[in-house]
Amino acid sequence: DSGVTQTPKHLITATGQRVTLRCSPRSGDLSVYWYQQSLDQGLQFLIQYYNGEERAKGNILERFSAQQFPDLHSELNLSSLELGDSALYFCASSREQGLRNTIYFGEGSWLTVV
Amino acid sequence: DAKTTQPTSMDCAEGRAANLPCNHSTISGNEYVYWYRQIHSQGPQYIIHGLKNNETNEMASLIITEDRKSSTLILPHATLRDTAVYYCIVRIDSNYQLIWGAGTKLIIKP
Repeated sequence: DSGVTQTPKHLITATGQRVTLRCSPRSGDLSVYWYQQSLDQGLQFLIQYYNGEERAKGNILERFSAQQFPDLHSELNLSSLELGDSALYFCASSREQGLRNTIYFGEGSWLTVV
Repeated sequence: DAKTTQPTSMDCAEGRAANLPCNHSTISGNEYVYWYRQIHSQGPQYIIHGLKNNETNEMASLIITEDRKSSTLILPHATLRDTAVYYCIVRIDSNYQLIWGAGTKLIIKP
């Protein structure tokens, strides 16, 4: 158990809908990361927050947004969903954001768009 | 783009040491080498990381060449539960992100 908690574990929704994925980082971790992994693909970095502020952006679509709240939990909002958005979405956290700070991953949220 | 090259797949007999190689010839002086593994569709699991010295923890050993252009992850006594995709990652400096490649699919055989 990495200590990173993600909900829901599984989600099935229709095209055009909007969903919110939630992440609670490990206790004391200030940095939160979101990744997407499509079927049999590698992990793609989406976005990173540090202590409530956006710090880095990767391949995140404009239909997707995220935020980190004062209690450090984070939400990833996916809107106008398309079939191609079906994927595993991972949240990860680290204590700080430097190179020596290990990033720990949650178990992921399976999103299926039908 | 991933900055590492790994074999696509490897087999290892249960109980033997599994040695997973990784090339990272363009690594910069302050970039770390991280190893993670992913057991089918589970969250990636951190294994070990290093800068230039060899490292060992309860899971594995990491051997980094002196020129830092390659490294080897060693699982000393592989078990069936070590079957997974192993990712060698160079953590880039500009925004501290992990850049993931395709990894090595390690199959431990009884």
